[in-house]
Amino acid sequence: DFQMTQSPSTLSASVGDRVTITCRASQSISNWLAWYQQKPGKAPKLLISKASSLESGVPSRFSGSGSGTEFTLTIDSLQPDDLATYFCQQFYSYPGTFGPGTKVEI
Amino acid sequence: DVQLLESGGGLVQPGRSLRLSCVASGFSLSSHGMSWVRRAPGKGLEWISATSASSPRTYYADSVKGRFIITRDNSKNTVYLQMTNLRADDSAIYYCAKERNYGDLDYWGQGTLVTVSS
Repeated sequence: DFQMTQSPSTLSASVGDRVTITCRASQSISNWLAWYQQKPGKAPKLLISKASSLESGVPSRFSGSGSGTEFTLTIDSLQPDDLATYFCQQFYSYPGTFGPGTKVEI
Repeated sequence: DVQLLESGGGLVQPGRSLRLSCVASGFSLSSHGMSWVRRAPGKGLEWISATSASSPRTYYADSVKGRFIITRDNSKNTVYLQMTNLRADDSAIYYCAKERNYGDLDYWGQGTLVTVSS
């Protein structure tokens, strides 16, 4: 099975900051990586698929990059609405392992 | 619009069973894989099971293998998660989610809470 790690586990930033979250896979997963946002009390929301493909309706301040074993989620100009926990997930193969999450505090 | 509606959660004693249901609408269930994902209090998301669109094949996390069974009834637009021999560490919000094409989860239900406690 693939193991996923994320860093940092918690991130405190200010409105307008550029924020970067890193996700690493224990083996190469090519670009089979998704990023999700989960706000308190809500269901997760798919932000980015295949490492860098932004979902329809997701603000353009979100972007993803990487391939193989190292990936990043970047939020340009952090907004108050971005308060959430962000998870990466590999979907190269089952089980579709999630990373442990990064909580973004504003 | 795509909608997923989970039900069946509740308070259950350790060792007992529970069946969760996920009713899908707004898309053809038979054309998509479906997953169950949970989030325990203070923990992250945990993928626990999936059923492929065709065959269908089923997949499980080690933490639930042998105790949980995922099934689907495309005629009822419903996916089920039969949970047996429940443990305290199974307590979580359980979400069903639609797989787009390859395992990325593009739509999620609102979740159903399962609490395992005596």
